[in-house]
Amino acid sequence: KAGVTQTPRYLIKTRGQQVTLSCSPISGHRSVSWYQQTPGQGLQFLFEYFSETQRNKGNFPGRFSGRQFSNSRSEMNVSTLELGDSALYLCASSPYGPRDTGELFFGEGSRLTVL
Amino acid sequence: AQKITQTQPGMFVQEKEAVTLDCTYDTSDPSYGLFWYKQPSSGEMIFLIYQGSYDQQNATEGRYSLNFQKARKSANLVISASQLGDSAMYFCAMSPSDGLTFGKGTHLIIQP
Repeated sequence: KAGVTQTPRYLIKTRGQQVTLSCSPISGHRSVSWYQQTPGQGLQFLFEYFSETQRNKGNFPGRFSGRQFSNSRSEMNVSTLELGDSALYLCASSPYGPRDTGELFFGEGSRLTVL
Repeated sequence: AQKITQTQPGMFVQEKEAVTLDCTYDTSDPSYGLFWYKQPSSGEMIFLIYQGSYDQQNATEGRYSLNFQKARKSANLVISASQLGDSAMYFCAMSPSDGLTFGKGTHLIIQP
């Protein structure tokens, strides 16, 4: 059974640009959530999607957005990149609905560097 | 708001010794879940163990056990007979919340 796949794995952008990251969840999983990991702030929740609907959102500015498609694949977008957006962006999928306690299955992440 | 505290930024342990990684939490929710994840240098977060707040017994998964003390709001991870491959970052996390709430992590290094 294939795991969570994130693309691209590594990317470099410059300030002011925008970036789109993609996540393919485990087959059958309908919940996809995104996390930002930085050395200073640690792991922080960005948002969660379930059946194409954003169910929860973390405390991030509106430059961070996402969506989920009918096949449960998800994308997140960051516009007007800032140096502080440099981070590892982790996607996680789950077979459970929102706010259900359950294991999350993580991808290997997309490492974004903003110059 | 929920909060997870991991007070050990780094630990060095001899191979084959048992390891205890500390985790304390704070929440006003009567029902919650506690998780431990391992993150090797590759970046992927690997689920290790789960404890529900109403579970009467401590969770165990192979060499991993979770020492759950509800009154003290602690959920320490115990790794028995540590191996070189256990070297990684370890994160304690809890739900429900808007997504999992993670601690800052403990960098565990197993020495031969």
